[in-house]
Amino acid sequence: GDSVTQMEGPVTLSEEAFLTINCTYTATGYPSLFWYVQYPGEGLQLLLKATKADDKGSNKGFEATYRKETTSFHLEKGSVQVSDSAVYFCALRASSGSARQLTFGSGTQLTVLP
Amino acid sequence: SQTIHQWPATLVQPVGSPLSLECTVEGTSNPNLYWYRQAAGRGLQLLFYSVGIGQISSEVPQNLSASRPQDRQFILSSKKLLLSDSGFYLCAWQAESEQFFGPGTRLTVL
Repeated sequence: GDSVTQMEGPVTLSEEAFLTINCTYTATGYPSLFWYVQYPGEGLQLLLKATKADDKGSNKGFEATYRKETTSFHLEKGSVQVSDSAVYFCALRASSGSARQLTFGSGTQLTVLP
Repeated sequence: SQTIHQWPATLVQPVGSPLSLECTVEGTSNPNLYWYRQAAGRGLQLLFYSVGIGQISSEVPQNLSASRPQDRQFILSSKKLLLSDSGFYLCAWQAESEQFFGPGTRLTVL
């Protein structure tokens, strides 16, 4: 079945540091890929997405490129801020199926220190 | 615009008591609806999904059940809670290529 493997946390960075959170996936066909962010005590919010190979999703300074050859969708940000502290989830949605539900990675806790 | 509501926001219940969590969606019709659980320090586990009224699919065997009595209402229930049912419960609906999540319910079973 489909699966998502995410870099284990927690990750602690200083403000303005470079961030990479690795994500690789296993799926048949051509899934859509997502990064969700969960701020403390809240639900999940979509951060960015990519629906086909070589697409780059971007939002709020975060970027991720859909790499089919390496089955990866790594999240990057050039300069993190304290307000980026949250849990980040990588997810995929199968290209077929009745409900096309999301498969999530285990999440990576990011803490940014001032 | 579409919005999704969950209540209650937090709940503390004794072991063996019943549970009912409600999720409602506004601004859309016939959405796919989902219940997820997030245990402390862990990722999201899909519990149930529904593609229409009265249609429920269960992803994992467990102590919980789900119902969809109306098009935009999705209810998560239990007759007798276990300690292991503690967690953060998230409802979501799907539109086109992405899912939108509710604010969640934090359930603590003592």
